[in-house]
Amino acid sequence: GQQVMQIPQYQHVQEGEDFTTYCNSSTTLSNIQWYKQRPGGHPVFLIQLVKSGEVKKQKRLTFQFGEAKKNSSLHITATQTTDVGTYFCAGPGGYNKLIFGAGTRLAVHP
Amino acid sequence: EAQVTQNPRYLITVTGKKLTVTCSQNMNHEYMSWYRQDPGLGLRQIYYSMNVEVTDKGDVPEGYKVSRKEKRNFPLILESPSPNQTSLYFCASSRPGQLDGYTFGSGTRLTVV
Repeated sequence: GQQVMQIPQYQHVQEGEDFTTYCNSSTTLSNIQWYKQRPGGHPVFLIQLVKSGEVKKQKRLTFQFGEAKKNSSLHITATQTTDVGTYFCAGPGGYNKLIFGAGTRLAVHP
Repeated sequence: EAQVTQNPRYLITVTGKKLTVTCSQNMNHEYMSWYRQDPGLGLRQIYYSMNVEVTDKGDVPEGYKVSRKEKRNFPLILESPSPNQTSLYFCASSRPGQLDGYTFGSGTRLTVV
């Protein structure tokens, strides 16, 4: 079945360093979504990418969708302690079904 | 405020004792879904519903039941809970096609002893 894989599982950075998480799908995706879950919280929708090669920015966060629409990345510039949490990518696994990656847990040390 | 409300937030129960986790959304979303979250496994879909009286199995439906009698409510039922159902559960809702992404509830941490 369709799989969405994320790497790394865990990343520990010093505040001010950059961070990137990668997402790869076993199949071509019509779109990809990214979510953030703070410790003890619930996933919160960040963004959806639809077009091949699409790049979107939200302040220090840059999201990319690969040309083949099988991979995506989230890059955070100059991390802050408020960026701590787990970042999930998710792709459609059928109408109205999302398949989530296992997530990348980000720890930021001041 | 647009939200998905789950209850209870925390629940400890014993093996075999039926329980229901409630989920309600106030956004008039057609689509609702239940996920469980376990360390290292991410979010796995249990059941979903595309509208009233329309439900279907997700990836890990064994041991769970759901119902969708009203658009706003989508309860998750564990008829005979077992320890391997100890997990963090999330309810989510969205418009058709998840155009704006899912809105998740705050979660229910269930422990079955």
